[in-house]
Amino acid sequence: DVKVTQSSRYLVKRTGEKVFLECVQDMDHENMFWYRQDPGLGLRLIYFSYDVKMKEKGDIPEGYSVSREKKERFSLILESASTNQTSMYLCASSPRPLAGGPDTQYFGPGTRLTVL
Amino acid sequence: GQSLEQPSEVTAVEGAIVQINCTYQTSGFYGLSWYQQHDGGAPTFLSYNALDGLEETGRFSSFLSRSDSYGYLLLQELQMKDSASYFCAVDSGGYQKVTFGTGTKLQVIP
Repeated sequence: DVKVTQSSRYLVKRTGEKVFLECVQDMDHENMFWYRQDPGLGLRLIYFSYDVKMKEKGDIPEGYSVSREKKERFSLILESASTNQTSMYLCASSPRPLAGGPDTQYFGPGTRLTVL
Repeated sequence: GQSLEQPSEVTAVEGAIVQINCTYQTSGFYGLSWYQQHDGGAPTFLSYNALDGLEETGRFSSFLSRSDSYGYLLLQELQMKDSASYFCAVDSGGYQKVTFGTGTKLQVIP
């Protein structure tokens, strides 16, 4: 089974703190993603990476950065946390799909971040 | 931009059939996926349609009409454990950039 793990299930930080959210996958997947999930807004893509040291902005990258130094690990960084970044953060990974095949994403359990 | 629309909530009776619709407007289209998420859990992949028609996987089926930019998820013989949120997601290509809908919360009642 594919396993995607995230460093914390719950995290409480203060405004202005630098926050690191870590994600590790064990299936040698090329692609990794960071989403945030808020009630009524669904899953919104923050950043994704299709290879080591590569990154692409998603739909809501402002206030976030990412790092992918190793294939299995994708980190999300909040340089200076703000209260509007209180949310559930979900990491996902996927293999490069076969032609015509689904891009199946495998999600981690999520980190519920509260910024006070 | 990309937009997907699905109903926010649906209620159905145990043993019945329910259909969750998804309409989309995207700049590119490779396929439509469906994911299930139980409260407090991670989304899990259910099905994928790249071509028009119906795909069946046990009690769940998914349909796509590319010309109508429309798809649906059909759940048959509903069970209480099917109570969850269901998300449609469009793969618009370009290094697997996937856009998710806002989700439909399905409540199955006895």
